[in-house]
Amino acid sequence: RKEVEQDPGPFNVPEGATVAFNCTYSNSASQSFFWYRQDCRKEPKLLMSVYSSGNEDGRFTAQLNRASQYISLLIRDSKLSDSATYLCVVNPYSGGYQKVTFGTGTKLQVIP
Amino acid sequence: EAGVVQSPRYKIIEKKQPVAFWCNPISGHNTLYWYRQNLGQGPELLIRYENEEAVDDSQLPKDRFSAERLKGVDSTLKIQPAELGDSAVYLCASSPVAGAVTGELFFGEGSRLTVL
Repeated sequence: RKEVEQDPGPFNVPEGATVAFNCTYSNSASQSFFWYRQDCRKEPKLLMSVYSSGNEDGRFTAQLNRASQYISLLIRDSKLSDSATYLCVVNPYSGGYQKVTFGTGTKLQVIP
Repeated sequence: EAGVVQSPRYKIIEKKQPVAFWCNPISGHNTLYWYRQNLGQGPELLIRYENEEAVDDSQLPKDRFSAERLKGVDSTLKIQPAELGDSAVYLCASSPVAGAVTGELFFGEGSRLTVL
């Protein structure tokens, strides 16, 4: 089983739609979780951290379910500019160092 | 503030040739990473440095790949000899705090390697 698994998509949604991505992780000792965004042929950039209580940043909401070992990202009122690949990132924080592990990414295409 | 700088941006070589990639991290960032990203996949860690020490190179194919980070600043990743399967984007990233859980890595634009 991969350490971090995501549905690769693509998710094709119309503008204004709400879309959700899930990501599962295998290491139950994982401590911190993040979503990164990667535009086509660009480098990944941090979108938001995922906190145990859930957190929101504008149209984006991230949730963590430790019992089921998954995190989710919800995007409301999708914009054309949201089209990108969303990478789930898990940090087991083992041995005091960052062992940041990326998922394969979920591709989102927002359609006019 | 300057970001992570990588060069070259693009490199096309024939198999069995050597290739080297260079990375200059953000000033003050003591953790440096090299990732490889294949098409349609997420970045995969090759090696991580804390200052000049390689603290995780378990995923680095040591028969043909080597890396160094002299003086704990710039880093070079070398492949010799290159194989067809090495075609990928090689991403360098840095982060400001060793052992932290911030999870924020700052990536360079990457070096896209094509092996013919």
